[in-house]
Amino acid sequence: AQKVTQAQTEISVVEKEDVTLDCVYETRDTTYYLFWYKQPPSGELVFLIRRNSFDEQNEISGRYSWNFQKSTSSFNFTITASQVVDSAVYFCALSEVQRSARQLTFGSGTQLTVLP
Amino acid sequence: EAGVTQFPSHSVIEKGQTVTLRCDPISGHDNLYWYRRVMGKEIKFLLHFVKESKQDESGMPNNRFLAERTGGTYSTLKVQPAELEDSGVYFCASSQRTSTDTQYFGPGTRLTVL
Repeated sequence: AQKVTQAQTEISVVEKEDVTLDCVYETRDTTYYLFWYKQPPSGELVFLIRRNSFDEQNEISGRYSWNFQKSTSSFNFTITASQVVDSAVYFCALSEVQRSARQLTFGSGTQLTVLP
Repeated sequence: EAGVTQFPSHSVIEKGQTVTLRCDPISGHDNLYWYRRVMGKEIKFLLHFVKESKQDESGMPNNRFLAERTGGTYSTLKVQPAELEDSGVYFCASSQRTSTDTQYFGPGTRLTVL
């Protein structure tokens, strides 16, 4: 069965620090997608990134970067030079291609607080 | 382009009452999903529509929940009668035709059952 684990429930950093949010997943499928979503205090889930299981290249988008390692079943998210506006709950999610509904399986989320 | 919208944003009802949540997906998105997050737990899948057809409703907790998507546009999720454990945030998401596409979420409806 599929599972996503975000072991860090809460993280607090001071502005300009780098922070890494961990995500470990379990799946028996060979083809799957991994996602990160951000939930700011306003409540909506904002899509950040999607990776498929055949693409292990790390990705960088501005201050955000993602490290996908199939060998350790991890898809970690790093924010460089954090800002107060980065404060939010971040969710990692998994979608298995063989499941017809393509439903997302979410981790429990990591509450990130960036202090000024 | 408008995103996924949900109505109402908040709903407070008493146990035993009925509540209907509405979701308007992004225009042109055939796939529509409902999820919910009960306090302190993960966001869980409820069901998936492709146009007006239910593709998968394996996540629906019981028969007190009824989802519809008449005409393949907006969707409603009715809870009747509501119980205390139904409290949580109900999210709707939509994606384009291929269901491997990214799901875009609405702001959610916070349901409180007293």
